[in-house]
Amino acid sequence: NAGVTQTPKFQVLKTGQSMTLQCAQDMNHNSMYWYRQDPGMGLRLIYYSASEGTTDKGEVPNGYNVSRLNKREFSLRLESAAPSQTSVYFCASSERSDYGYTFGSGTRLTVV
Amino acid sequence: QKEVEQDPGPLSVPEGAIVSLNCTYSNSAFQYFMWYRQYSRKGPELLMYTYSSGNKEDGRFTAQVDKSSKYISLFIRDSQPSDSATYLCANTGGFKTIFGAGTRLFVKA
Repeated sequence: NAGVTQTPKFQVLKTGQSMTLQCAQDMNHNSMYWYRQDPGMGLRLIYYSASEGTTDKGEVPNGYNVSRLNKREFSLRLESAAPSQTSVYFCASSERSDYGYTFGSGTRLTVV
Repeated sequence: QKEVEQDPGPLSVPEGAIVSLNCTYSNSAFQYFMWYRQYSRKGPELLMYTYSSGNKEDGRFTAQVDKSSKYISLFIRDSQPSDSATYLCANTGGFKTIFGAGTRLFVKA
């Protein structure tokens, strides 16, 4: 049982480059989330998808776009990477957010 | 003021000690509270969630919520070196979850 799978695990980008972070879950969860984690700031929500076909902005959506491809997959796209987007990105899923999330293992992104 | 605040630590204890980890929160409308454990370079792992006030126990772990003082606690009994990790508290309402920045715990053998 893989849970939540994220790819890639590591990435270095130059300023202005674009990339897509991939996420897939095999738990048949309705809701999926993208968070970033920065030292001293905790996890901050970028975007979420309450169910297949819907997406909504979180706390820090600027500079990002998302696609809920199907019930299993939720991707995060950086159109023009900036050094401020250097962070660890986590995808998560839940059947009901009140009961907690299952997180992936993260993508460590460095923008130079 | 952050919506959920935690002492960042690090907190260092000897093996077998009782550990107390604490958070304060500000949004009274959020009724669900969680604790996550995060090992270095891994994703957070849900330990426990509680609804409203009271205690919840799971093995060596006890979560406690005091809504009157807006205080969340996690107690770890008989702590083990494998408990060394960062512990995140969280407060949830609907699709919005506010996380604390985490407390680093070291349990020395």
